[in-house]
Amino acid sequence: GAGVSQSPRYKVAKRGQDVALRCDPISGHVSLFWYQQALGQGPEFLTYFQNEAQLDKSGLPSDRFFAERPEGSVSTLKIQRTQQEDSAVYLCASSLMTRPEYEQYFGPGTRLTVT
Amino acid sequence: AQSVSQHNHHVILSEAASLELGCNYSYGGTVNLFWYVQYPGQHLQLLLKYFSGDPLVKGIKGFEAEFIKSKFSFNLRKPSVQWSDTAEYFCAVNAGYGGSQGNLIFGKGTKLSVKP
Repeated sequence: GAGVSQSPRYKVAKRGQDVALRCDPISGHVSLFWYQQALGQGPEFLTYFQNEAQLDKSGLPSDRFFAERPEGSVSTLKIQRTQQEDSAVYLCASSLMTRPEYEQYFGPGTRLTVT
Repeated sequence: AQSVSQHNHHVILSEAASLELGCNYSYGGTVNLFWYVQYPGQHLQLLLKYFSGDPLVKGIKGFEAEFIKSKFSFNLRKPSVQWSDTAEYFCAVNAGYGGSQGNLIFGKGTKLSVKP
C-alpha cells in the first residue's frame, strides 16, 4: 500500500511569505506527527494529532506555526511570515495507534528554503 | 528533559569491517528505544526497537542493538558492513506512556560511509 506522502517536496519562499505543507498519512492511521529537521540535526518534534484532535503542540517554535487535521486524515502545517530560521526539512509521520510501540512511518519530507 | 547523544558524527569503514555506533539517552524512567536509518534519497525507516525483555534486539539487515540500562546506552552493531549500509543512522527515545504519547526524541545522527 501507499506510504506517507508529503507535498510539495521542495518549497522556496521569500522571507515574510506564508507557506502550507501537506501530509497524507497511511490510510487508517490514527496518530500523525510533524517533525522539523534542520541541516545536520536530527528530527525535532513539533506537534501531534490523534485523529482530528491536536493533543500536543509543545514543539511548535512560535505562534507563526499552525497545524490542523480537520477530518482526521490529511494534515496541513502552516507557517506564517516565514523567517530564514524556518529553513529545514519538515517531516510527517503516522502510526496506526496512539501507543509508542506502534511504528511511526515517515514521509519523504518537504524541504523549505526561505530566502 | 530527555535528550539523546550520538557520539560519532561521521564514520568511515571498509566493507566487512565491524560497526558499532554509540547512543546515550538521558531519562530516568521507562523508555522505548529506536534506531532509524535514512538511505541516500530515501525517507527515514525503522531499523529496530526495544521496549522490554531481552536487552539484545535484532533488526533488519543484520543489525542489532544492546540496551544497557545502567549506562543509559543503546548502541547499534553489525558484525560485517556492506557498501549498501551507507546511510545516516538516528537513535531515538520515547518516554513510555507519559507526555506526548509517542513523539520521538532523536539524536543528531551518524553518517556511515562504507568504502567498497
